[in-house]
Amino acid sequence: EAGVTQSPTHLIKTRGQQATLRCSPISGHTSVYWYQQALGLGLQFLLWYDEGEERNRGNFPPRFSGRQFPNYSSELNVNALELEDSALYLCASSRTSIDEQFFGPGTRLTVL
Amino acid sequence: AQKVTQAQTEISVVEKEDVTLDCVYETRDTTYYLFWYKQPPSGELVFLIRRNSFDEQNEISGRYSWNFQKSTSSFNFTITASQVVDSAVYFCALSEALYTGANSKLTFGKGITLSVRP
Repeated sequence: EAGVTQSPTHLIKTRGQQATLRCSPISGHTSVYWYQQALGLGLQFLLWYDEGEERNRGNFPPRFSGRQFPNYSSELNVNALELEDSALYLCASSRTSIDEQFFGPGTRLTVL
Repeated sequence: AQKVTQAQTEISVVEKEDVTLDCVYETRDTTYYLFWYKQPPSGELVFLIRRNSFDEQNEISGRYSWNFQKSTSSFNFTITASQVVDSAVYFCALSEALYTGANSKLTFGKGITLSVRP
C-alpha cells in the first residue's frame, strides 16, 4: 500500500510569490492534515481537511489556505511568501478523523 | 490549551545502552490521545504509537516500550539495547479528542535528537 505522497520535494520561490504544495493521502483515508516544521519553531499544525471541508486551522495568517478535492487529495497554497515561510511542510492523512495520522516525506519550501 | 514538553533536547548513547525519552503533557480534556513519532534524517515522520487517555497500560513492541502515567501527565518512551539505526529525532504529541472523538490536530513537543554511537 502506498504511503502519503507529496509534491514537489523541493520548491524555491522568491518573496511575494505564491507557492502550491500537493498531497495525496493513503488510499481510503479521508482526512488530510498540514503541518509546518520551521527551524526553531518545531512542528506546528496548519490545517485539517475532512470530506472536502476545512475542519480546523492553526494559528496561521489567511495567506495560508488550502482545499481538499473529491479524491481526498489536498493542496496547500501560500500567498505573498515571506522569508519566514521557509520550512518543511508535512502532510498527513488518517483513515477517519479518529484514527492515527501517517505522514508524507514533506515539501521543503525555500523563500529567497 | 494543550502543551507537550520534551525537556531533553539531545541524548547521545553508545550502542546497546538503554535510553528513555521523557514526555510531559498538559491538557484540560479528559479524553485525549498521546503519540510518539520518529523522524529520521530523511525527514518523514514515522508513526510509533498512539494511546488514548483511558488506557494506562504500558506497551512493549520489540525493543520499544512506553510508560503512560496520568498521575504525572507523562508518556515516556524507552529504547532497550539501542542501535545506530535508532538515531533520529523523536517527537511526542498530544491531540485533544473533541467531544466527537476526533483527534483533529497534533500538538508536538520540540523533539529529542537521539544519537546512537557504534
